[in-house]
Amino acid sequence: NAGVTQTPKFQVLKTGQSMTLQCAQDMNHEYMSWYRQDPGMGLRLIHYSVGAGITDQGEVPNGYNVSRSTTEDFPLRLLSAAPSQTSVYFCASRTTGTAGNEQFFGPGTRLTVL
Amino acid sequence: AQSVAQPEDQVNVAEGNPLTVKCTYSVSGNPYLFWYVQYPNRGLQFLLKYITGDNLVKGSYGFEAEFNKSQTSFHLKKPSALVSDSALYFCAVRDITGAGSYQLTFGKGTKLSVIP
Repeated sequence: NAGVTQTPKFQVLKTGQSMTLQCAQDMNHEYMSWYRQDPGMGLRLIHYSVGAGITDQGEVPNGYNVSRSTTEDFPLRLLSAAPSQTSVYFCASRTTGTAGNEQFFGPGTRLTVL
Repeated sequence: AQSVAQPEDQVNVAEGNPLTVKCTYSVSGNPYLFWYVQYPNRGLQFLLKYITGDNLVKGSYGFEAEFNKSQTSFHLKKPSALVSDSALYFCAVRDITGAGSYQLTFGKGTKLSVIP
C-alpha cells in the first residue's frame, strides 16, 4: 500500500491564483480530512469527509473548497490564493468503523503565496 | 467543544534521562486520546492511543502515556531518551460522544530536543 499520497510537494502561487492540492489513499478509508500546519498553531482542520459525496467544514474552511467523488480521492481547492494561506497542508485518512482508529497522514504540501 | 493544551513549547532533556511531554484535554463526553510525532519535513506518525481500559498505554519506539481522568491529562513518557527522539510531538483528542465525534483536535505541539 502506498498509504496517503499528496501532490505536489511544493508550490508557489501568486495572490489571486487558484490551484488544487491532490490527496489519494489506497486503504479504502471512509474518513478523509485536510489540515493546515502553521508555526505555533499546531494542526487545524480545514474540511473533512466521512464518505463519497459527503463533506463538511472544519475549524478554518474559508477560502477552501473540497469534493469527494470517490472513496480514494479528496482534493483541496484554493479558489483565489492569499498570502494568509501560506502554510503546510496535510491530508489524512482513517476508517470510521471503530472511532478509535488512528489517522494516517500524507507527507504534506508546502504552499507559498506571494 | 473539545480542546488540547500542550503547556510547553519546548522540552530539553539529556540523552539517557527520562522524558515527559505534557498534555491536558477538555471534552464534554468521553475522550479518545492520541500522540503523534513529526520529524523535520515529514508528515505525522502515530505513536500511541488511549481508547479504554488500562490507563497506561504503550506505543512505538518505547514511548508510553498515562491517562488520568481526574486531571484530564495524557502525558507522554519514555524511560530513557535517545537523540533520535528529537522531534515535534502532538497530542490530539476526539470526543466520541459529541456532535464533532469525527473530528480530531490537535495541540500546538511540543518540540523535544535530546542533548547528547
